[in-house]
Amino acid sequence: DAGVIQSPRHEVTEMGQEVTLRCKPISGHDYLFWYRQTMMRGLELLIYFNNNVPIDDSGMPEDRFSAKMPNASFSTLKIQPSEPRDSAVYFCASSPGLGYEQYFGPGTRLTVT
Amino acid sequence: GQQVMQIPQYQHVQEGEDFTTYCNSSTTLSNIQWYKQRPGGHPVFLIQLVKSGEVKKQKRLTFQFGEAKKNSSLHITATQTTDVGTYFCAGLSRSQGGSEKLVFGKGTKLTVNP
Repeated sequence: DAGVIQSPRHEVTEMGQEVTLRCKPISGHDYLFWYRQTMMRGLELLIYFNNNVPIDDSGMPEDRFSAKMPNASFSTLKIQPSEPRDSAVYFCASSPGLGYEQYFGPGTRLTVT
Repeated sequence: GQQVMQIPQYQHVQEGEDFTTYCNSSTTLSNIQWYKQRPGGHPVFLIQLVKSGEVKKQKRLTFQFGEAKKNSSLHITATQTTDVGTYFCAGLSRSQGGSEKLVFGKGTKLTVNP
């Protein structure tokens, strides 16, 4: 397996624009997680899915953020409109179970100017 | 809410010295996981501890889970330059809302002077 795949790897956009980050989890993993990492706040869990259903989205900062998982092999995290404070590295991770090892993707480095 | 505190935030050592990072949770944990993130990389799973008082070793790394399952530590003996990176603990606990969640500490950034 190629591991967790994320795209794009880097994204630079202007404030107010819509940003969509994409993730393909490892085949067979039932859980998918979206994290945001910044120097100030560390690694924050934004939302996680079990069998494509959102379970806990309490970490989603505000209504500008939304996440979907239309099928077992694809998820998106959308920010609309984007703001400079959204600049961070966004990681997607998948795992076969909630208490199991999480496999992280390479991350998307987002810069909002 | 659930919190996992990790100290120290930074640690700089000379190659050959030992290193320890500590994690403390405000709630009892079902398990605790440890990850390593190399500079510019992504977190990579190291180990998971489940039982109260559990101790596990991986070569020069020793992991402990406290008796009350609220704290954990990672100790590296005789650090090498390849140990450079940020070490995160992540605790699995149940929130008031009932869902379980893995909460990451903020990590300890280790630098090693050759």
